[in-house]
Amino acid sequence: GESVGLHLPTLSVQEGDNSIINCAYSNSASDYFIWYKQESGKGPQFIIDIRSNMDKRQGQRVTVLLNKTVKHLSLQIAATQPGDSAVYFCADRLSGGYNKLIFGAGTRLAVHP
Amino acid sequence: NAGVTQTPKFQVLKTGQSMTLQCAQDMNHEYMSWYRQDPGMGLRLIHYSVGAGITDQGEVPNGYNVSRSTTEDFPLRLLSAAPSQTSVYFCASSYPRGRGYSPLHFGNGTRLTVT
Repeated sequence: GESVGLHLPTLSVQEGDNSIINCAYSNSASDYFIWYKQESGKGPQFIIDIRSNMDKRQGQRVTVLLNKTVKHLSLQIAATQPGDSAVYFCADRLSGGYNKLIFGAGTRLAVHP
Repeated sequence: NAGVTQTPKFQVLKTGQSMTLQCAQDMNHEYMSWYRQDPGMGLRLIHYSVGAGITDQGEVPNGYNVSRSTTEDFPLRLLSAAPSQTSVYFCASSYPRGRGYSPLHFGNGTRLTVT
């Protein structure tokens, strides 16, 4: 069945460095991809999304890259700040599947001063 | 806008008890869903609804019931709680796919412990 997974469970970075969080998905029929940030005790918070007809999308300090050839998604955070410390999830949606998002297990980002 | 509101925030049940987790949204979203989150795992879809009166099962529906009588509310019922249902439950809403690409908006969760 379809699955969305992450390569690294924990990522430690220095404040001010750039962070890259990776994600692999398995279903080539997925048409929509979303990154969420989850802080302790809170629900997932939307960061950025990208449709399958795009390769790259930029937001404020964040960039999502989509490589459909190898079914890989990444989230880049520029100038990482202590407030970026959280668990990050990628999610994908099958084309025609309403918003039945499939989530990966998450990557914990730890930002050190 | 309050967004997605879940109550209660915490709940302890004994095995066999039943309860209802409440979810309400004030964004006029037609699509609503319930996920559970277990340690070391991603969120798994329990049930979802694409509008009032319409519900369907997700990945892990056993032991849970839902109904959708209004656009705003989507309660999740545990019929007979089991320790395996100890988890954090999240409600989420969005416009359906038919209205374009729209991310899910999540509530802050209900932490449930079944002893």
